[in-house]
Amino acid sequence: AQTVTQSQPEMSVQEAETVTLSCTYDTSESDYYLFWYKQPPSRQMILVIRQEAYKQQNATENRFSVNFQKAAKSFSLKISDSQLGDAAMYFCAYRTPNTGNQFYFGTGTSLTVIP
Amino acid sequence: DTEVTQTPKHLVMGMTNKKSLKCEQHMGHRAMYWYKQKAKKPPELMFVYSYEKLSINESVPSRFSPECPNSSLLNLHLHALQPEDSALYLCASSQDDQNEEKLFFGSGTQLSVL
Repeated sequence: AQTVTQSQPEMSVQEAETVTLSCTYDTSESDYYLFWYKQPPSRQMILVIRQEAYKQQNATENRFSVNFQKAAKSFSLKISDSQLGDAAMYFCAYRTPNTGNQFYFGTGTSLTVIP
Repeated sequence: DTEVTQTPKHLVMGMTNKKSLKCEQHMGHRAMYWYKQKAKKPPELMFVYSYEKLSINESVPSRFSPECPNSSLLNLHLHALQPEDSALYLCASSQDDQNEEKLFFGSGTQLSVL
């Protein structure tokens, strides 16, 4: 069974600093996709970044980057130069083509940004 | 247009009421999803429609009835709900392409059952 684990229920970061959110997953598949979604207080789920397992290069989107360690089944999100608008719940998610439309979500990390 | 639109944004209903949640997208996506989300919890998958056919039903009680009238619309019909069904109901869509997948979410309907 596929599982996604986020071991940090809550994190905080000083504005302009860097924070890393952790995510591990369990799978026997070799081909899959990993995602980080952000859910601010408005509760709209927003895609932050996406990584294909077959790509060794870590994905980046502006201030957001991932550290993808396939052998360790780890997919952490680094937020640089944190801004107040980054405060949100962050969910790690996993999908494999073999499971059709099934996305597996982690339990989430609540990020607070301190001014 | 990269939006998934959900209506209504808020809904309060009694346990004997019948109501419907609506979801619409015009991105040409062929997979549409209903998720239920309790506060500070991850979304829980309820139903998936792929090419307008129900492809996943996660053992959801029959008081929730999904409907996909066409490739752009998804409804969730509610009848005889319980207070524990109060939650945020999120609609999402995706291309339903094994090689290019990400979910686009609507802003949700906050449902309260009294």
